[in-house]
Amino acid sequence: SQKIEQNSEALNIQEGKTATLTCNYTNYSPAYLQWYRQDPGRGPVFLLLIRENEKEKRKERLKVTFDTTLKQSLFHITASQPADSATYLCALDFTGGGNKLTFGTGTQLKVEL
Amino acid sequence: DAGVTQSPTHLIKTRGQQVTLRCSPKSGHDTVSWYQQALGQGPQFIFQYYEEEERQRGNFPDRFSGHQFPNYSSELNVNALLLGDSALYLCASSGGQGNGYTFGSGTRLTVV
Repeated sequence: SQKIEQNSEALNIQEGKTATLTCNYTNYSPAYLQWYRQDPGRGPVFLLLIRENEKEKRKERLKVTFDTTLKQSLFHITASQPADSATYLCALDFTGGGNKLTFGTGTQLKVEL
Repeated sequence: DAGVTQSPTHLIKTRGQQVTLRCSPKSGHDTVSWYQQALGQGPQFIFQYYEEEERQRGNFPDRFSGHQFPNYSSELNVNALLLGDSALYLCASSGGQGNGYTFGSGTRLTVV
């Protein structure tokens, strides 16, 4: 069965640095790969979507890369701020039909002053 | 413009009881999905509704059932509650392919 791996250990970085989060998956590649932010007790918030034929996508301080050969996506937050502290979830849509998302367990990011 | 709204926000039920959770999708969205999120885990897909029909279902028992109404709102029903059903239940809506989902804040269900 399909497995999605995100760093289970929390990532602590200093304000102003670039945070890099990893999402690895097994078996076949998804049509779309999405990243969400989740704060405690709240629902996930959509950040970025990248298609299987795209290598990179940017939005303001966020950048996502997608390597179907390595079966890996990297999520970067540049010039990180304490307000970026949250759990970041990787989600895969294998059919591209807007059907179910398969989520990783998430990586907790803490940005320190 | 309201996003996805879910009710209630918190709920405590006794083992064996039944529960109904409600969701109103974001304006303009016609597809509703339900997810279960246990503490420290990612959301797990329960099922998705489109045009009042269950379009896809995850690996959940028949105790989990749902419904979508003509106004696109949806309900999630869980029968014969187990302690393991305690979780955050999330509703997500979308308006089409290639777009991210909009999630509600969830319903925190505790089964005692």
